[in-house]
Amino acid sequence: AQSVTQPDIHITVSEGASLELRCNYSYGATPYLFWYVQSPGQGLQLLLKYFSGDTLVQGIKGFEAEFKRSQSSFNLRKPSVHWSDAAEYFCAVGAGGTSYGKLTFGQGTILTVHP
Amino acid sequence: EPEVTQTPSHQVTQMGQEVILRCVPISNHLYFYWYRQILGQKVEFLVSFYNNEISEKSEIFDDQFSVERPDGSNFTLKIRSTKLEDSAMYFCASNSYYEQYFGPGTRLTVT
Repeated sequence: AQSVTQPDIHITVSEGASLELRCNYSYGATPYLFWYVQSPGQGLQLLLKYFSGDTLVQGIKGFEAEFKRSQSSFNLRKPSVHWSDAAEYFCAVGAGGTSYGKLTFGQGTILTVHP
Repeated sequence: EPEVTQTPSHQVTQMGQEVILRCVPISNHLYFYWYRQILGQKVEFLVSFYNNEISEKSEIFDDQFSVERPDGSNFTLKIRSTKLEDSAMYFCASNSYYEQYFGPGTRLTVT
């Protein structure tokens, strides 16, 4: 069965600092990987996705993520954080085949941004 | 930009009552999902739906739950007899080529 681990429950950074949110996955085949962001009281917004090809993927709002098969990781990065990035971030792995589209989420990482 | 919509945004119900949560997926999508998020916990898959039938369901999705696509646009989740532990945010999603788009959610409070 697929699973996702986000080791950091809460991260605090200063505005303008760089950010890296960690994600490790377990999946038997080539994974489909996603990062979503959730602001308080809001739904889940897709930041970026990895299916195949270039292991460095670019997303919206200046985010990027790197797929590392050898480490089973898909870490999210941003070079300079803005106060509006404060939210909860979820990594997810998607299934194919008969479980097409089913997403398994990590626990989430809450990002706090200090001015 | 097309989006998934859900109604109501907040539903309060008494234990044992039936509730129906409604969703309008993106119009050209063919795969639909329900997820739930209990406060402070991770988002959990409930059920997937394709070609007018359930394609997969989790162990959470027991006989108290059902899904339906009653017409060409709506996708509903029914809970027949709500329990306190059903209190959660319920998200509907629809899928196009592995990109899953989520609605804003319905917060269900069971008292």
